[in-house]
Amino acid sequence: NAGVTQTPKFRVLKTGQSMTLLCAQDMNHEYMYWYRQDPGMGLRLIHYSVGEGTTAKGEVPDGYNVSRLKKQNFLLGLESAAPSQTSVYFCASSYDRPKGEQYFGPGTRLTVT
Amino acid sequence: TQLLEQSPQFLSIQEGENLTVYCNSSSVFSSLQWYRQEPGEGPVLLVTVVTGGEVKKLKRLTFQFGDARKDSSLHITAAQPGDTGLYLCAGAGGTSYGKLTFGQGTILTVHP
Repeated sequence: NAGVTQTPKFRVLKTGQSMTLLCAQDMNHEYMYWYRQDPGMGLRLIHYSVGEGTTAKGEVPDGYNVSRLKKQNFLLGLESAAPSQTSVYFCASSYDRPKGEQYFGPGTRLTVT
Repeated sequence: TQLLEQSPQFLSIQEGENLTVYCNSSSVFSSLQWYRQEPGEGPVLLVTVVTGGEVKKLKRLTFQFGDARKDSSLHITAAQPGDTGLYLCAGAGGTSYGKLTFGQGTILTVHP
């Protein structure tokens, strides 16, 4: 089992460019999440999905879009990157509530210049 | 909005010392989890506590959930350099579809 994988690992964008981050999990988890991690702010939830074909907004959704066309994949899109989106992005998946134990990918470090 | 306040934010100690990290909230959580994150990697789950007053031990790490399920602590005995990392607490609410509220994290450095 690979667990949760993320592509790419690093990326540098110029302001206004777009990109898509891919997350894949092979644990047959229903729930998937995208977080961003910034120094001193812990992990903040961007968007999440409770099943194939469903998505919902998290704590900081502005400037991001997501899609979950297949159960194992969760895509995070930036349509017009801004320097404020420079961060480390983590994808996670989980079995079910209420415990909500989550399994994380290795992260994508994104720099927007 | 549920908030988790984690303290201290930074902890720098010598090998062999003991330490405690605290996670506090005014909200009740159905469960509380502790994660450890190493540089360049994603967080890894250490433990989940579910019952008020619950204590769990993982080798030299002791985790406690407050009686009212609003707070938790992580105690490390005889810290080792291998314990160095970012420790995150996260609370799960009753109707959150498994969504977690994370504390800001504690960066622990254990010097040999």
